Amino acid sequence: DIVMTQTPLSSPVTLGQPASISCRSSQSLVHSDGNTYLSWLQQRPGQPPRLLIYKISNRFSGVPDRFSGSGAGTDFTLKISRVEAEDVGVYYCTQATHFPYTFGQGTKLEIK
Amino acid sequence: EVQLLESGGGLVQPGGSLRLSCAASGFTFSTYAMSWVRQAPGKGLEWVSGISGSGGSTYYADSVKGRFTISRDNSKDTLHLQMNSLRAEDTAAYYCPPPGSSGEGYWGPGTLVTVSS
Repeated sequence: DIVMTQTPLSSPVTLGQPASISCRSSQSLVHSDGNTYLSWLQQRPGQPPRLLIYKISNRFSGVPDRFSGSGAGTDFTLKISRVEAEDVGVYYCTQATHFPYTFGQGTKLEIK
Repeated sequence: EVQLLESGGGLVQPGGSLRLSCAASGFTFSTYAMSWVRQAPGKGLEWVSGISGSGGSTYYADSVKGRFTISRDNSKDTLHLQMNSLRAEDTAAYYCPPPGSSGEGYWGPGTLVTVSS
């Protein structure tokens, strides 16, 4: 199974400052169709997960442009350019290139 | 718009069974692989099972293999998860995420399964 490793696991950030979360996979996430099915999810307290980014860098509908994704192969990053109060929650990277699909451990974003 | 609504959760005793359902709309259901994902209280997300668009291929996490069965009814745009021999560690919110490998869409509210005597 592909192991997804996120760092940091906790990220205290000052409002208006940037934040960055790293996700590393134990194998390449490039699918035989040429796509890389690496997504980022946000989960606010008490809510179901919400898709932010799909296929490394594509923002889902309605996601603010302060969220961006980058990376390739086995190393990926989610960046928030200026953290807002509504960004508090847990962020997960997930891969859907190979079964079984797997998730990172989650990174808790909190405001300092 | 992609919509997913899970149902069928509840309180069940250890060793018991439950059948979860996920009603899908807003996309051509039969053309997409679908999955079940769960989240134990206070824990992270765990992929449980997946099924191809035709239903001909199924996949399971080791933790549920031999106990859970995923299926789909493409005539009714519905995904199912038959859960047998339930254990306390199966207690979780169960979600059927948006379709396909990209998962483009909104997650449903999930359905809560509690295994307890």
